[in-house]
Amino acid sequence: EVQLVQSGAEVKKPGESLKISCEASGYPFTAYWIGWVRQTPEKGLEWMGIIYPDDSDTRYSPSFQGQVTISVDRSIRTAYLQWSSLKASDTAIYYCARARSVYDSPGVFAYWGQGTLVTVSS
Amino acid sequence: DIQMTQSPSTLSASAGDSVTITCRANQTIDPWLAWYQQKPGKAPNLLIKRASILDDGVPTRFSGSGSGTEFTLTISSLQPDDFATYYCQQYDNYYPGTFGQGTKVELK
Repeated sequence: EVQLVQSGAEVKKPGESLKISCEASGYPFTAYWIGWVRQTPEKGLEWMGIIYPDDSDTRYSPSFQGQVTISVDRSIRTAYLQWSSLKASDTAIYYCARARSVYDSPGVFAYWGQGTLVTVSS
Repeated sequence: DIQMTQSPSTLSASAGDSVTITCRANQTIDPWLAWYQQKPGKAPNLLIKRASILDDGVPTRFSGSGSGTEFTLTISSLQPDDFATYYCQQYDNYYPGTFGQGTKVELK
């Protein structure tokens, strides 16, 4: 069974750094792109970027390029989303997700993590 | 950037009704269009990909159609479990995806 299990909720102050995780199981980790999606009440769902664990090839949405870093650790089957300096506007739920099949486009998501709530407040 | 516009934002309907949600793109995206259902506190659930292909296990009362820049999601005979928010998404291999703003289907 494919599972994406995300790290728990975080409360941070503006300017702090943060790295949240998404641990994958139930499939060959390096064979599928993993994506990240942000959700806020104001903007809804936003596609942030995707990474191919086999070679760490990463594609960012222009809106998130330079704002976050997506990475993987193949040894522990985990993808990460990282900020170096958080802003209040980063407050959101963040989901990791994966396509159903290697024959699907990597950017359409059939499997989702449970979401990680990130709250940034002074 | 590709922009996606959904309509309506809210749709009031009764169980048993047939409803249609429209999604328009500002450029041709055919056939790279997906539809998701999301319930409060849960991750989105993929319903349809490539504009009209039902994802695994999705009931056949859901259907998708369209081409070019205009696409529709139809739910025939709404069930109580279908009251939720629906999002369209354009996607393409390796190109950043974009979601629509969502359509809430609520009980009339």
